[in-house]
Amino acid sequence: ETGVTQSPTHLIKTRGQQVTLRCSSQSGHNTVSWYQQALGQGPQFIFQYYREEENGRGNFPPRFSGLQFPNYSSELNVNALELDDSALYLCASSAGLDRTDTQYFGPGTRLTVL
Amino acid sequence: SQQGEEDPQALSIQEGENATMNCSYKTSINNLQWYRQNSGRGLVHLILIRSNEREKHSGRLRVTLDTSKKSSSLLITASRAADTASYFCATDGSAYKLSFGAGTTVTVRA
Repeated sequence: ETGVTQSPTHLIKTRGQQVTLRCSSQSGHNTVSWYQQALGQGPQFIFQYYREEENGRGNFPPRFSGLQFPNYSSELNVNALELDDSALYLCASSAGLDRTDTQYFGPGTRLTVL
Repeated sequence: SQQGEEDPQALSIQEGENATMNCSYKTSINNLQWYRQNSGRGLVHLILIRSNEREKHSGRLRVTLDTSKKSSSLLITASRAADTASYFCATDGSAYKLSFGAGTTVTVRA
């Protein structure tokens, strides 16, 4: 059984650019959630996908968008990057939507916007 | 805004001592979870406690939950250097998302 993986590990972009981050869910998991973690803060929920459909969204602007593929891997896209988008981006997969389903986190992608 | 607030923000203890950190939250919950994060990497799930439970144990971890006070505590007994990490509580006030606090940074000195 493989864990949650994310790519790339680190990324440096400039303001106004676009970025795509990728996440492979743990085997057998059909739900993926994305979080943004600024330095010194806890993770903030961006959105969740369940069986390729968006299932909920946090307080993030539309320039944050996502996709989930038939194999349940996922992408987070951010357009028109701003300096405040610099953060650790975490994805987490779970076996379903039950509140007790543990969310398993990947190692994260560290995004720096200059 | 963060749903949970951990206290203290930072904690430094000697190896072998116990570490206690607290979490307060604002809205009703179904479950409360604790996660550990090493050096800005991914979060590792430690324990989940349901709203109808008052105490739960897992190895050297003890979690309590007081829903009347909207608070929880995490106790790590006989701490080790490997316990050095940031600890976060997360609540599930909304069905599809976890809301995290800002975390407690624990340093275990040898």
